[in-house]
Amino acid sequence: NAGVTQTPKFRVLKTGQSMTLLCAQDMNHEYMYWYRQDPGMGLRLIHYSVGEGTTAKGEVPDGYNVSRLKKQNFLLGLESAAPSQTSVYFCASSYSSDGHLPEQYFGPGTRLTVT
Amino acid sequence: RKEVEQDPGPFNVPEGATVAFNCTYSNSASQSFFWYRQDCRKEPKLLMSVYSSGNEDGRFTAQLNRASQYISLLIRDSKLSDSATYLCVVNSVSGGSNYKLTFGKGTLLTVNP
Repeated sequence: NAGVTQTPKFRVLKTGQSMTLLCAQDMNHEYMYWYRQDPGMGLRLIHYSVGEGTTAKGEVPDGYNVSRLKKQNFLLGLESAAPSQTSVYFCASSYSSDGHLPEQYFGPGTRLTVT
Repeated sequence: RKEVEQDPGPFNVPEGATVAFNCTYSNSASQSFFWYRQDCRKEPKLLMSVYSSGNEDGRFTAQLNRASQYISLLIRDSKLSDSATYLCVVNSVSGGSNYKLTFGKGTLLTVNP
């Protein structure tokens, strides 16, 4: 059981370049999330998905797009990278629940630098 | 008022000390509460969920006060390995949506020998 994995672990982009971050989970979780973490800001939700084929905006969605074509994968795209998108990106997943929200399991993170 | 607000820290304590972290949340409709731990340059991991009646896991005790919208984490007999950032986490309830968690900025704890 690998849990939540993220690809790549590190990346340096030039302003204006595009890239896709891949998140995969093998726990059959319904919910998946993309966060960014910046010094002094804490974790902020970018986009999330409550099931295959569905996505929704989080707190800071501008400049990002996502897709959930398969239940186990959640892709985060940067179409035209900007220095303000330099951050550590974490993917997380959790099972669905009608009651209390369950814990989220995080991937190891992707460190992205945009120059 | 911020959705989730924590002690800014940092906390520096000697081994064996007792340390307490405090957290307040703004949404009275929140139902799920957690403490996560994040080691330097690693991902957050669940430390413990917080229940209305309070709960204990070894040296860790979590309390919830719904009336005051306040959550606490107590660490007794702190160890060097407890050094980490502690994140207070609350579910976000808005427009009928209950899928999201809101994370506090975290409080850094350093336990010194």
